[in-house]
Amino acid sequence: DAKTTQPNSMESNEEEPVHLPCNHSTISGTDYIHWYRQLPSQGPEYVIHGLTSNVNNRMASLAIAEDRKSSTLILHRATLRDAAVYYCILSSRSGNQGGKLIFGQGTELSVKP
Amino acid sequence: GAVVSQHPSWVICKSGTSVKIECRSLDFQATTMFWYRQFPKQSLMLMATSNEGSKATYEQGVEKDKFLINHASLTLSTLTVTSAHPEDSSFYICSAGNFRGQHTEAFFGQGTRLTVV
Repeated sequence: DAKTTQPNSMESNEEEPVHLPCNHSTISGTDYIHWYRQLPSQGPEYVIHGLTSNVNNRMASLAIAEDRKSSTLILHRATLRDAAVYYCILSSRSGNQGGKLIFGQGTELSVKP
Repeated sequence: GAVVSQHPSWVICKSGTSVKIECRSLDFQATTMFWYRQFPKQSLMLMATSNEGSKATYEQGVEKDKFLINHASLTLSTLTVTSAHPEDSSFYICSAGNFRGQHTEAFFGQGTRLTVV
């Protein structure tokens, strides 16, 4: 499984944008880039995913580098409820791998009021 | 998004007993369900992959005779921790999806906190 590298922790101020980086230099052509987040004592929550093009949804935006070796999750206006551990995960769609996620350590985001 | 529900949310059991955790997809048929374990301050560790009607595929180092997984229907998978010991105390989380064309991402349950005393 291709690995990702994320900073252990980041801090943000409430109502400011947050850019969470992820490096995945060994990504393969069939790997999708997924982002999930986990609040304390809860299961992970899907945030966004993409393959090559930048993606936007109501929760966040995903900016993918042209060579696909890195990506950035963008929270446009952080709120206190966005404080969580954010996981960047590569998931292959080849074969019977749909939905299989191998979690790294993630980035713990804290949001200051 | 799709809804996945786990039951119970927490359970305390005595050492040596078995405990069953249920994972249900409430509004879709789950072709595949996954079971994870998470220790405090650590990330999720994939334990096994379960396809409906098939035997579960366990990750390396996970004892299949200790962690029994059943996926008998398209909406229910169960994880039974047999002969539980204090070191099995952990947060157990399932995820599910219909990966035959419906879903491109997995949906997670709320987790079950198991404490073995």
